[in-house]
Amino acid sequence: EVQLVESGGVVVQPGGSLRLSCAASGFTFDDYTMYWVRQAPGKGLEWVSLISWDGDKTDYADSVKHRFTISRDNSKNSLYLQMDTLRTEDTALYYCVGSGSDYYYFEYWGQGTLVTVSS
Amino acid sequence: QSRLTQPASVSGSPGQSITISCTGTDIDVGRYNYVSWYQQHPGKAPKLIIYDVIERPSGISYRVSGSKSGNTASLTISGLQAEDEADYYCSSYTSSTTSYVFGTGTRVTVL
Repeated sequence: EVQLVESGGVVVQPGGSLRLSCAASGFTFDDYTMYWVRQAPGKGLEWVSLISWDGDKTDYADSVKHRFTISRDNSKNSLYLQMDTLRTEDTALYYCVGSGSDYYYFEYWGQGTLVTVSS
Repeated sequence: QSRLTQPASVSGSPGQSITISCTGTDIDVGRYNYVSWYQQHPGKAPKLIIYDVIERPSGISYRVSGSKSGNTASLTISGLQAEDEADYYCSSYTSSTTSYVFGTGTRVTVL
């Protein structure tokens, strides 16, 4: 059974930093492109970032570019999101998502971890 | 960044068919056959129900189908059932400054 379990979501002050983690199991992690997708309370889905199976390619939404950094450790079946210079508008449930490397959709979803940016 | 445009809400009676539109531009929906759809029940994670415009993942009901014409993709649910009441989002790969874009979301209500 595929499992994606996010962790690291907390309450943080504006301007602060946070690192989210996602532990993957039940599939061949290093065959998959991984993503972060977020959802602000009561709002829609927003694509945040992607990383290729080997970590060579990364991409970011304009809203987080130069502030967030995605990374992965295939030896630990883990995905990460380093979030710096956090803003109140970054408050959201952050989902870890995976899909086969040649696919252009979001196949497997975690349950999300909540990040709240507030003073 | 821009989002794909969906109607805020769609409703139908049990047994009826509904269609949700997803309008983009010629750099996303119109350029690529990489439109996907997601169903999200309250408090739950989204679930993939259509990919590559028309393909259904294993285990997804035949009552769900997708299509595309020009810059607009559509999701049709036939034989509407109570369990279909949820939020639905489209997504597309894009040649914009970012790789993917989601739709604004549609709440489906079964009357």
